Amino acid sequence: KQEVTQIPAALSVPEGENLVLNCSFTDSAIYNLQWFRQDPGKGLTSLLLIQSSQREQTSGRLNASLDKSSGRSTLYIAASQPGDSATYLCAVGTGANSKLTFGKGITLSVRP
Amino acid sequence: NAGVMQNPRHLVRRRGQEARLRCSPVKGHSHVYWYRQLPEEGLKFMVYLQKENIIDESGMPKERFSAEFPKEGPSILRIQQVVRGDSAAYFCASSPQDSANTGELFFGEGSRLTVL
Repeated sequence: KQEVTQIPAALSVPEGENLVLNCSFTDSAIYNLQWFRQDPGKGLTSLLLIQSSQREQTSGRLNASLDKSSGRSTLYIAASQPGDSATYLCAVGTGANSKLTFGKGITLSVRP
Repeated sequence: NAGVMQNPRHLVRRRGQEARLRCSPVKGHSHVYWYRQLPEEGLKFMVYLQKENIIDESGMPKERFSAEFPKEGPSILRIQQVVRGDSAAYFCASSPQDSANTGELFFGEGSRLTVL
């Protein structure tokens, strides 16, 4: 059974800091991995999608990496801004039917 | 293109009543997924449907919960005889699932059910 872990559960950093959010999963036989952003009381916004054959994806100030063999992914946020404050969810796809297993998320607070 | 549309956004029910949550997928998407997010918990998969078919309902509670995705109209998640433990945010997601599918899911804003 796939399990996804995100530690720590919460993180507070000053504005401008570069930061790394970690995600680990127990079964390396994954189809893909997605990072989402969730604002309070809102839905999920897809940030980056990495296929199992890929090592990383980049979008603007965000970079996500994937190491299947070690069961890890990281989301790198450059030059953090207060608007980046949200919960970041890691989700692993374990089959062609796109079913996802989610971590509990990391709640990020970027202080002005 | 409109994204995944869910309604109602907020629903309050008393114990024993029925809750019906609706989801219209992204136009052209024929695959719908329902997830539940309990307070302080991660999102948990409930059910995966294609038009008129339930493909995977391994995450759905065996009793009181049902889902459908008819040929016409939105997908419906139905909860009968609600209990306080059903209070959660219910998210719908859709995907095109064609030959070029990347596996990416598009999520709605969620329906937040409160059971009094």
